[in-house]
Amino acid sequence: DQQVKQNSPSLSVQEGRISILNCDYTNSMFDYFLWYKKYPAEGPTFLISISSIKDKNEDGRFTVFLNKSAKHLSLHIVPSQPGDSAVYFCAAQVIGIEGAQKLVFGQGTRLTINP
Amino acid sequence: DVKVTQSSRYLVKRTGEKVFLECVQDMDHENMFWYRQDPGLGLRLIYFSYDVKMKEKGDIPEGYSVSREKKERFSLILESASTNQTSMYLCASSFFDSHNQPQHFGDGTRLSIL
Repeated sequence: DQQVKQNSPSLSVQEGRISILNCDYTNSMFDYFLWYKKYPAEGPTFLISISSIKDKNEDGRFTVFLNKSAKHLSLHIVPSQPGDSAVYFCAAQVIGIEGAQKLVFGQGTRLTINP
Repeated sequence: DVKVTQSSRYLVKRTGEKVFLECVQDMDHENMFWYRQDPGLGLRLIYFSYDVKMKEKGDIPEGYSVSREKKERFSLILESASTNQTSMYLCASSFFDSHNQPQHFGDGTRLSIL
């Protein structure tokens, strides 16, 4: 069963507009959520995160919103730039019994920013 | 800057071969992870390790094993490679208490099993 879901495989947005990427999760034990960005032929790079006790975190053009009651988070990119074209992965963290953090990833959304 | 280095970018092996994928990190991280990335499935955790000689199964450990003899090095082993193990393999590392410090990834090894 997919505990973290990104239901949109792809998204196309005009340069300068807002990009909104969505993510849903099912496990209430997740305590931290992260977004990673991945270019082709490179590993994922960390973008932004949010603790489960918060509902918003902002870093420059990137804002992540968390709605715990709906088990939903979203990533907003404003304004969108051509360099934002990449695959975005949502991830949720859970702490195992051994104390180590593990991440559960969504399927990814390919964002294309059109000039 | 954190550096996670995977030994090969591309690898082609034959069915039944024993395959070793190597990963080295230079930030003294306790945790190390192996994932595979497949289209439409995202990243799935194969194995992870939170200390030298310690290993824990992830979500899809079947057909794989791992080795962590030194803190900086984490190896993924395909005991007898099969075509359904053709995939992109990603290694990551992080500090043990890492709420504010995310996992850092290598650039991946694209493995093809013929």
